[in-house]
Amino acid sequence: EVQLLESGGTLVQPGGSLRLSCAASGFTFSSYAMSWVRQAPGKRLEWVSILSGSGGNTYYADSVKGRFTISRDNSKNTLYLQMNSLRAEDTAIYYCAKGYDPHDWVLSHFDYWGQGTLVTVSS
Amino acid sequence: DIVMTQSPDSLAVSLGERATINCKSSQSVLYSSNNKNYIAWFQQKPGQPPKLLIYWASTRESGVPDRFTGSGSGTDFTLTISSLQAEDVAVYYCQQYYSIPPYTFGQGTKLEIK
Repeated sequence: EVQLLESGGTLVQPGGSLRLSCAASGFTFSSYAMSWVRQAPGKRLEWVSILSGSGGNTYYADSVKGRFTISRDNSKNTLYLQMNSLRAEDTAIYYCAKGYDPHDWVLSHFDYWGQGTLVTVSS
Repeated sequence: DIVMTQSPDSLAVSLGERATINCKSSQSVLYSSNNKNYIAWFQQKPGQPPKLLIYWASTRESGVPDRFTGSGSGTDFTLTISSLQAEDVAVYYCQQYYSIPPYTFGQGTKLEIK
């Protein structure tokens, strides 16, 4: 059974930093691209970043480019999101999501999502 | 960026009746090389993460009841629930994965019982 468990969300001041983690199990982690998707209160889902299974290829949303860094440790089956220079508008539930197709890291839907971790940016 | 627009924003349907949710993309999400539309539909219940219902616009995810059907091609797509059940109350989102970055989602459609 595929399981994704996010952690690391908390209250942080504007300008601060935070690292989120997503522990994965139930599948061959290194074979699949993983994404972070966030949802601000009452808002639509917003994709944040994607990382290929090998860790060699990434994309970011313009809203986080230069501030957030996605990474993974395939030996620990864990995905990370380092978040720097946080802003109030980064307040959201952050979900990690698994890509469906091991042969196409980009053009693939998300088939499993974690329960999410709440990040609140406020003074 | 491809903009995804859903209609309506909210919908109230009687139990056992049909519910129809529409999704329009600002450009075609049909790949001519494989004739697939790169659209997914998700269901999100309060306090829960999104759950995949449909991918490739019309392929039902394993375990999803057959009352959920996805259709459409090009820029216009529909999610139909043939006979609404109480457990179907949720917000439904469409998403394109044709052109990234970024993946983009619709604004969501809130489905309630009438």
